[in-house]
Amino acid sequence: EAGVAQSPRYKIIEKRQSVAFWCNPISGHATLYWYQQILGQGPKLLIQFQNNGVVDDSQLPKDRFSAERLKGVDSTLKIQPAKLEDSAVYLCASSLDSLNTEAFFGQGTRLTVV
Amino acid sequence: AQTVTQSQPEMSVQEAETVTLSCTYDTSESDYYLFWYKQPPSRQMILVIRQEAYKQQNATENRFSVNFQKAAKSFSLKISDSQLGDAAMYFCAYRRYNTNAGKSTFGDGTTLTVKP
Repeated sequence: EAGVAQSPRYKIIEKRQSVAFWCNPISGHATLYWYQQILGQGPKLLIQFQNNGVVDDSQLPKDRFSAERLKGVDSTLKIQPAKLEDSAVYLCASSLDSLNTEAFFGQGTRLTVV
Repeated sequence: AQTVTQSQPEMSVQEAETVTLSCTYDTSESDYYLFWYKQPPSRQMILVIRQEAYKQQNATENRFSVNFQKAAKSFSLKISDSQLGDAAMYFCAYRRYNTNAGKSTFGDGTTLTVKP
């Protein structure tokens, strides 16, 4: 079974520029998550989708971050404009069902804002 | 709010030896899950082992086992017969029962080095 696919693997941008990350979950997984993992810390949930609807975006900095999951499959996470403190690894994960199951993670996108 | 603390930022072990990674957590819930995840340098995080709080028996997966002390809110991971491929960042995580699969609270990780 193919895992969670993310692209790009690495991205370097200047502050105030915009950037987008793409995620393709495991086939059939209804729930998709985006995390921010700052160096030296554990992942922190930014947003959760159930199919194509947002379930929880309480930790998403909505003034600069946005995410969508059109058609309930692939998802994109965008940052505009980027700040230095957005430098982190952005992880995508998916799960078959939302409760009491396991989430599977992608390899992440390492963002460096200079 | 639940918190997860990993007090060992770095650990090292000799190949074939045993190492124990520590984790403590804080919760007022009685039903929950605890996890250990492994994140190798390639960054894909994978689940190593899972413990349900209602189970008294400690979970075991091949060379990986846990010591779950519910009253002490402690959840350590023991890796026996360490192998070079065990080198990675290890995250302890907590999740309330009947919550979404991705809504775990993670510790800040322990980097494990395995020396040949």
